[in-house]
Amino acid sequence: EPEVTQTPSHQVTQMGQEVILRCVPISNHLYFYWYRQILGQKVEFLVSFYNNEISEKSEIFDDQFSVERPDGSNFTLKIRSTKLEDSAMYFCASSEGGGGLAYATQYFGPGTRLLVL
Amino acid sequence: AQTVTQSQPEMSVQEAETVTLSCTYDTSENNYYLFWYKQPPSRQMILVIRQEAYKQQNATENRFSVNFQKAAKSFSLKISDSQLGDTAMYFCAFKDNYGQNFVFGPGTRLSVLP
Repeated sequence: EPEVTQTPSHQVTQMGQEVILRCVPISNHLYFYWYRQILGQKVEFLVSFYNNEISEKSEIFDDQFSVERPDGSNFTLKIRSTKLEDSAMYFCASSEGGGGLAYATQYFGPGTRLLVL
Repeated sequence: AQTVTQSQPEMSVQEAETVTLSCTYDTSENNYYLFWYKQPPSRQMILVIRQEAYKQQNATENRFSVNFQKAAKSFSLKISDSQLGDTAMYFCAFKDNYGQNFVFGPGTRLSVLP
């Protein structure tokens, strides 16, 4: 069964450094997402991406964040200058195009645990 | 804005017993989608079951079923014949018909006891 994959599984970085989190969505999916989960808290939406552009973003997704689909398979989240409060689990997800439940269902990757020191 | 509430922060159940996790949501939309995801200690988010609001029939997936009450805006998850591997955090999630993001509830930590 196709899966969303994410690399790395863990990343430790110093405050102020740039990090890039990578995701490979399910191959026939057209919509891609990033979510984050601060330890012990709920999962929060960051951004959605369709047709090579951001389609929706939350207020968390400020100028420090950017997303890119550099080739036909990868989807990346960049944090330009990390802060302590960026420490969290970051989940990538993808969904099919089209209408109905298939379109709405998002499949999540295993997450990248980011620790900012 | 839509909100999702899970009123049970923690629950436990004996192996082989049945447990029901509650979820309520707030929306003014008529059509939307509801999901339950499981997050085991590995922290991967795994889809358990899903439901489209305009379908009145409750979804079932093997030992997992939902009780969808649209008027009450309730979407509870029933796990039958609980197994040790069901121990996890369970998140209820809502998606409306227009936006793309999921709104997650705060989660219920379920422990299945031997």
